[in-house]
Amino acid sequence: QVQLHESGPGLLKPSQTLSLTCTVSGGSITSHSYYWNWIRQPAGKGLEWIGRSHGTITINYSPSLKSRVTMSIDTSKNELSLEVDSVTAADTAVYFCARSSSQSWEAFDIWGRGTLVTVSS
Amino acid sequence: QSVLTQPPSMSAAPGERVSISCSATDFNIGDSYFTWYQYVPGTAPRLLIYDNDKRPSGTPDRFSGSKFGASGSPGASATLAITGLQTGDEAHYYCATWERSLSAVIFGGGTKLTVL
Repeated sequence: QVQLHESGPGLLKPSQTLSLTCTVSGGSITSHSYYWNWIRQPAGKGLEWIGRSHGTITINYSPSLKSRVTMSIDTSKNELSLEVDSVTAADTAVYFCARSSSQSWEAFDIWGRGTLVTVSS
Repeated sequence: QSVLTQPPSMSAAPGERVSISCSATDFNIGDSYFTWYQYVPGTAPRLLIYDNDKRPSGTPDRFSGSKFGASGSPGASATLAITGLQTGDEAHYYCATWERSLSAVIFGGGTKLTVL
């Protein structure tokens, strides 16, 4: 059974770089059947898709975050990573990683439990 | 700007039926597929419906999805219906779709469902 687990620092100061990791267990992150996504829920707001990776090739980012976001995959560790540059209070959110299939790109069938990131001076 | 619009909140009594709408503006969703998620803060979101009307294993048949609007027609919409409401259905519900022109997933703003 595939499980996802997010990890990273819970507190950052404005202008710092947010770095998160999603560890995939019970399955291979290189499977061509799946996409691996980052999604967040800012405090008091709705879900927001950040971006996705497919193996080590296809990467798409949200247009609104594209200039500050970098995603990557470490196949040796079976991990998906997210970096967000120059964070502000608006980046305070619960960050989730989630799996979607190559057949239904917007159907996130497995999610991590999420990790809370707070940006505060 | 491509947007999915949902009612911010809805309420109903146990046993009743509710329909949550998800309207698309400024993009053609004729060939797009909608998904629906149930989210209780503090937990992981749960996939309820995918490909407009398919239920993954584990989703009760009290939950159903539909899509309205033909290919090429702007302003199409999707609906999540929940019958036989239970107190455990109290949650936030989100629609989502892949927006082709943006090459991105977009979520609706979410609907907070209260079961009185």
